[in-house]
Amino acid sequence: DAGVIQSPRHEVTEMGQEVTLRCKPISGHDYLFWYRQTMMRGLELLIYFNNNVPIDDSGMPEDRFSAKMPNASFSTLKIQPSEPRDSAVYFCASSPGRTSAYNEQFFGPGTRLTVL
Amino acid sequence: SQQGEEDPQALSIQEGENATMNCSYKTSINNLQWYRQNSGRGLVHLILIRSNEREKHSGRLRVTLDTSKKSSSLLITASRAADTASYFCATDGDRGSTLGRLYFGRGTQLTVWP
Repeated sequence: DAGVIQSPRHEVTEMGQEVTLRCKPISGHDYLFWYRQTMMRGLELLIYFNNNVPIDDSGMPEDRFSAKMPNASFSTLKIQPSEPRDSAVYFCASSPGRTSAYNEQFFGPGTRLTVL
Repeated sequence: SQQGEEDPQALSIQEGENATMNCSYKTSINNLQWYRQNSGRGLVHLILIRSNEREKHSGRLRVTLDTSKKSSSLLITASRAADTASYFCATDGDRGSTLGRLYFGRGTQLTVWP
């Protein structure tokens, strides 16, 4: 398996623009997580899904952020409109769920977002 | 907050020395995990220890868990420059927490000098 795939790896955009981050989890994994990492705030859980259903979105900073998981192999995180304070590295991770007794997470390489 | 807290925040040692990082957490857990993050990369799972285990080994890694003190330690023996990375502990929280998620700490930045 190729692991968790994220695209793009780097995104530079201007304030006010829409940004869409994409994630393909490991096949067969039941859980998908979106994290944001900054020096100031560390690793923050934004939202996570179980079997394509959002379970907890309490970490989504505000209405400008939205996430979808239309099927088991694809998820998007959208920021509209983007602001400079959204600049961070965004990670997607997946976890086996019911196929494993443990809940270890497998992280993608991340998307480094810079909002000018 | 249920997240773990690592100590120290930063650790700098010479190659060949041992590195010890600590993690404290606040709630009961089912298991505790350690992850590693190289600069510019995603986190990678290193080792998991269950709440009924006290010690676990994997290669040069040794993890201990003291549930009475709600603490864990990660020991890397005979460190190498390639061990330079950030190390995070993660817990699955107590029964009241949402199933499936992990609670990550802020991490310890380990630098191993050649």
